[in-house]
Amino acid sequence: SQTIHQWPATLVQPVGSPLSLECTVEGTSNPNLYWYRQAAGRGLQLLFYSVGIGQISSEVPQNLSASRPQDRQFILSSKKLLLSDSGFYLCAWNGGGTEAFFGQGTRLTVV
Amino acid sequence: DQQVKQNSPSLSVQEGRISILNCDYTNSMFDYFLWYKKYPAEGPTFLISISSIKDKNEDGRFTVFLNKSAKHLSLHIVPSQPGDSAVYFCAASINFGNEKLTFGTGTRLTIIP
Repeated sequence: SQTIHQWPATLVQPVGSPLSLECTVEGTSNPNLYWYRQAAGRGLQLLFYSVGIGQISSEVPQNLSASRPQDRQFILSSKKLLLSDSGFYLCAWNGGGTEAFFGQGTRLTVV
Repeated sequence: DQQVKQNSPSLSVQEGRISILNCDYTNSMFDYFLWYKKYPAEGPTFLISISSIKDKNEDGRFTVFLNKSAKHLSLHIVPSQPGDSAVYFCAASINFGNEKLTFGTGTRLTIIP
């Protein structure tokens, strides 16, 4: 069966520090991978999605970047965090027309 | 530009009654719609979906209705249970789910015992 792992679960980082959130998927190959952010009143905002290794589409201009170094690995990064980057970040995958499956999320607090 | 809208941020329903959550969309290219349930500090979990070739899909206590002409879908939960208290997101996709999901802003459902 397929599983998705996302870590860490919570993170407190100072403004200006770098960020790296990692997501891995098991039990499937060539998944579509997504990073979403949940912010108050904004629902689930799609940040990045990837249909393959090295293929990243950015949905909104921001202080974040994403990379897909391996088929089942998706990384969300920032060189310098802003206060506005605080939020709940969710990794998800889908493939073959199925619904998307989400990780448990990372609560990021930038202080 | 919010292509998927949930205009009710919150809803309270008595236990045992019907909960109806609504969702509207603007992009006529959407052909696949989903509902997700989310508890605090957890990832959303899939509930039920419907493709644009149908107008109704039922799974146990959950039924999703799609009105393509009105660009409107709804989720009915009958009977409502305390464990249904959560935030519900509707989502839409093109290419029958092979493309990225666009989510609504969510509706917080509270079931009153």
